[in-house]
Amino acid sequence: EDQVTQSPEALRLQEGESSSLNCSYTVSGLRGLFWYRQDPGKGPEFLFTLYSAGEEKEKERLKATLTKKESFLHITAPKPEDSATYLCAVVKGGSEKLVFGKGTKLTVNP
Amino acid sequence: DSGVTQTPKHLITATGQRVTLRCSPRSGDLSVYWYQQSLDQGLQFLIQYYNGEERAKGNILERFSAQQFPDLHSELNLSSLELGDSALYFCASSAPSGAYTDTQYFGPGTRLTVL
Repeated sequence: EDQVTQSPEALRLQEGESSSLNCSYTVSGLRGLFWYRQDPGKGPEFLFTLYSAGEEKEKERLKATLTKKESFLHITAPKPEDSATYLCAVVKGGSEKLVFGKGTKLTVNP
Repeated sequence: DSGVTQTPKHLITATGQRVTLRCSPRSGDLSVYWYQQSLDQGLQFLIQYYNGEERAKGNILERFSAQQFPDLHSELNLSSLELGDSALYFCASSAPSGAYTDTQYFGPGTRLTVL
């Protein structure tokens, strides 16, 4: 069965304290891995798509990387406005549906 | 703003009732997806339409149905509602290529509360 596991479930950081979120997946024939940010009561906001192992993408303080078994979302010098739940999702071969992990709730304290 | 719109924003109803959720995709997008998000289950795929035709189905209950109209907006119909149907319902849309890895852009969601 396809599985996406995110860790940790929750993470508290001080402003400026860099860290990484993990997304491990078990899926046959990965076609793409997606990172989204979700604020409470809002829809997921697209951040990155990664297609193959070794690929990296950056946007402001965020950097996403992909290996054959997992993806990391690195957050450098976070600010309080980075506080949100970060969701990882995969699309496998022959499918178009996103299979989501349960997310990591990030809190950045000033 | 993703460009995907959903109405209504909130819906409160009673058990046994029927409701309709509406979604308008981004301009030019042909695919529409529906997801349910509950506290214990996370985001779960329900169903996908591509240019008016059903394309993929997830764990959608028989009490739920959807359709996509010629103008590409979509509606999700939920009937014989139960307390457990209370959740956030999201619509997403993706580009017209129909490729497996098209990015899905999500709407703001409809919060359904069944009393």
